[in-house]
Amino acid sequence: DAGVIQSPRHEVTEMGQEVTLRCKPISGHNSLFWYRQTMMRGLELLIYFNNNVPIDDSGMPEDRFSAKMPNASFSTLKIQPSEPRDSAVYFCASSFRVAFRTSGEANTGELFFGEGSRLTVL
Amino acid sequence: SQKIEQNSEALNIQEGKTATLTCNYTNYSPAYLQWYRQDPGRGPVFLLLIRENEKEKRKERLKVTFDTTLKQSLFHITASQPADSATYLCALRFGASKIIFGSGTRLSIRP
Repeated sequence: DAGVIQSPRHEVTEMGQEVTLRCKPISGHNSLFWYRQTMMRGLELLIYFNNNVPIDDSGMPEDRFSAKMPNASFSTLKIQPSEPRDSAVYFCASSFRVAFRTSGEANTGELFFGEGSRLTVL
Repeated sequence: SQKIEQNSEALNIQEGKTATLTCNYTNYSPAYLQWYRQDPGRGPVFLLLIRENEKEKRKERLKVTFDTTLKQSLFHITASQPADSATYLCALRFGASKIIFGSGTRLSIRP
């Protein structure tokens, strides 16, 4: 498997423009996560999906951010309109969803991360 | 609210020594604690998991402890090497899916 694939790797845009980040999770994984990483705030969880359904979007900064997962092999994170403070590296990660407190050793619930999308909003 | 602290932003040690990184958390009852390594320009990579009912877990030169009373995990790298230089992140898993990360500790191993 090629791992989690994110695109674009780098995006430079002007304030007010729409930005769409894309993610292809590892085949067979049923949980997908979007994180944002900055020097000041570290790695923040924005939203995660189980079986394509959004479970917790409490980390989404504001209404300008939206995420979708139309099928098991694709997700998007959209920022509209973008602002300079949105500049960050955005990571997508996927994993198997583990059974709560009953998971065997073979399933660690580890996250597999993509290489990230570095967004710069001017 | 949920809070995870890795109380050293950076740690510099001599090659061959043991590196010890700390992860503290508040207001949580996590099912699992994980440690990840992140190299510059790359995504984090999973290293180890320890469950709430486990005290210690080892993997090669790595050792992780988990004290749910103190709400603390310690991550040790023995016989450290320059190749171990990276940022190390602890992460807490809640329930089946939600994973929250600490801010990370940047470890530098000098020859």
